[in-house]
Amino acid sequence: AQKITQTQPGMFVQEKEAVTLDCTYDTSDPSYGLFWYKQPSSGEMIFLIYQGSYDQQNATEGRYSLNFQKARKSANLVISASQLGDSAMYFCAMRGTIGANSKLTFGKGITLSVRP
Amino acid sequence: NAGVTQTPKFQVLKTGQSMTLQCAQDMNHNSMYWYRQDPGMGLRLIYYSASEGTTDKGEVPNGYNVSRLNKREFSLRLESAAPSQTSVYFCASSEAGRLNLNEKLFFGSGTQLSVL
Repeated sequence: AQKITQTQPGMFVQEKEAVTLDCTYDTSDPSYGLFWYKQPSSGEMIFLIYQGSYDQQNATEGRYSLNFQKARKSANLVISASQLGDSAMYFCAMRGTIGANSKLTFGKGITLSVRP
Repeated sequence: NAGVTQTPKFQVLKTGQSMTLQCAQDMNHNSMYWYRQDPGMGLRLIYYSASEGTTDKGEVPNGYNVSRLNKREFSLRLESAAPSQTSVYFCASSEAGRLNLNEKLFFGSGTQLSVL
C-alpha cells in the first residue's frame, strides 16, 4: 500500500520569507502522482500543485513549487514570499495506478503559521 | 459556481441515531468520494463511486453505507451512529471514469458531525 508521511508538527515563517513543507512517500507503483492541498481555517480543501512521477521538471504554480526528489521519495512544497493568507494546514497526497493505490491517499498534514 | 455541495454543515447526533449526509456536484463528474478527517489522521477514504451505479469500500468503511443516487448525487449514511464517528466529513468529486494520475479532486465544504 502507498503511504504519505508528513512529520513536521507545525511550522512558522515570517511574512515575505520562503518556507518548505516536507513530504515523503512510499509506493511500489511504477507511475504515480503527487499533490498538495491547502486547508485554511474555513475548512475547504484547495488544490495547489501536482507533480507526476515521470515529469522531467519540478512543478510550479505561482508562488508554489514542488521540490521533487524521486530517489529520496520526497515531494516537498516550497512557498515563496509567504503571505498572511498562507496560514493554513497543508496536506500532501498521492495516487498510484494499481488497485487501491489508484485512490488519493493523504498525509496527516502540516500546520503553517505566517507571522507578520 | 456551486461545485460540490454538502448538507448539512453541522450535525449533532446521539449514539444509535441514524442520519444521511448529502452530496451533490454540478460538474458532470463521474467519480465521487467520501472522506473523513480526524485530528492527526489526515483524510481517510470511506467509500467511493467510480461511476454512476458503482460503489466501493475505501480505507475505513465500517459503520457506513453509501448510495450513488445518480451521476450528481452521492450520499453517506450512518445507520447507528457511534462516538467514534465524530469527525469532519468531506465529499469530493473528480472528472474521470478512467484513471488519470494528474486528476485532482474537488471538495465540498465539509460536514462537522458530533456523536454524543
